Amino acid sequence: SAVISQKPSRDICQRGTSLTIQCQVDSQVTMMFWYRQQPGQSLTLIATANQGSEATYESGFVIDKFPISRPNLTFSTLTVSNMSPEDSSIYLCSVEGTGGTYEQYFGPGTRLTVT
Amino acid sequence: QKEVEQNSGPLSVPEGAIASLNCTYSDRGSQSFFWYRQYSGKSPELIMFIYSNGDKEDGRFTAQLNKASQYVSLLIRDSQPSDSATYLCAVEGNYGQNFVFGPGTRLSVLP
Repeated sequence: SAVISQKPSRDICQRGTSLTIQCQVDSQVTMMFWYRQQPGQSLTLIATANQGSEATYESGFVIDKFPISRPNLTFSTLTVSNMSPEDSSIYLCSVEGTGGTYEQYFGPGTRLTVT
Repeated sequence: QKEVEQNSGPLSVPEGAIASLNCTYSDRGSQSFFWYRQYSGKSPELIMFIYSNGDKEDGRFTAQLNKASQYVSLLIRDSQPSDSATYLCAVEGNYGQNFVFGPGTRLSVLP
């Protein structure tokens, strides 16, 4: 499976500011995904990021709040904009496996605390 | 809205026993089913996936799928304290673009 890294691993931010999270993969992948995992909760898909097209957002998530870039097949960024304490979560990127079997592999996550 | 249900636990089993984790899903059109393990403070790790009705074995792990009952389970044989984690069931039904995770079951294997 691909090796996935995320930066930063954690951050503490003030409300009203924005944070950009980077996701780097060691091989080219078509599908990349961004998830949020709130404390004690399961994973919720924010959006699907395909190279060369606009990200597809899930219900409840909007581009103005979570803009995503996907400039190439190994890299993506998620920005959390105008943050509030409710945005405190772990943000995870994932990539789809290459065998046509749709499994996803996750990066280590970014732990965000908004004060 | 697709839903995936799991017992939240905690499920406690003694070391060496079989742990049985269950998952039900609402979308009858779901095609692929995945089990992830998540240790506290870590990201989810894929254990195995299953597509066809029946059993699929990988080492100490067996996934069971019954599409008619919309039910998927994970059995862990010879449970070890290192298996203590949260186990997440995930369901997919649109060529990889519709992953939905269940709430997870916390497993505790007692030495």
